[in-house]
Amino acid sequence: RKEVEQDPGPFNVPEGATVAFNCTYSNSASQSFFWYRQDCRKEPKLLMSVYSSGNEDGRFTAQLNRASQYISLLIRDSKLSDSATYLCVVNYPRDGANNLFFGTGTRLTVIP
Amino acid sequence: EPEVTQTPSHQVTQMGQEVILRCVPISNHLYFYWYRQILGQKVEFLVSFYNNEISEKSEIFDDQFSVERPDGSNFTLKIRSTKLEDSAMYFCASSRTSYNEQFFGPGTRLTVL
Repeated sequence: RKEVEQDPGPFNVPEGATVAFNCTYSNSASQSFFWYRQDCRKEPKLLMSVYSSGNEDGRFTAQLNRASQYISLLIRDSKLSDSATYLCVVNYPRDGANNLFFGTGTRLTVIP
Repeated sequence: EPEVTQTPSHQVTQMGQEVILRCVPISNHLYFYWYRQILGQKVEFLVSFYNNEISEKSEIFDDQFSVERPDGSNFTLKIRSTKLEDSAMYFCASSRTSYNEQFFGPGTRLTVL
């Protein structure tokens, strides 16, 4: 069973659209959740952490549902620069370690 | 803004050769990690390192891999005898604590011929 599952997409949306990505994780002991974005052949860059109460950063809103083990990312008013792969990332806490497990990513292309 | 750096950006090697990938984590971070990403696939955890020892390693991190913090700034990944399937992007990451966000370096693209 995959630790983190995401819809791989691709999502092709026009500028200004709202798009939502979903992710599920398998380990109920996970404590930290993140969305990273990755541009082609670049490193993952932290987009935002995901908190139980939900959190918003400008056009981006992240939600966490621990009971369903489900994480979401909403992007409003999409910009061309939002085109990237969005990675759902979950930690598996162990003593002295905080290993991250990545989903395969959801590819977003914002079209002019 | 402090960032993780990695060298070289691209390494080409012959099968069976040893390679050392270098990383300089963010200076006040205490936890260090290596991940790899085979082209077109997801990012995979290799190893975590804290207090000068390995905290955890994945199944990928077999006996041909080793990590070291030779001085106060560098963190290295050594692959003793490279195989064709080791060709991938290798990312170093660091975090301040075990629960903080991890910040990734730009990666080293390893090509094994």
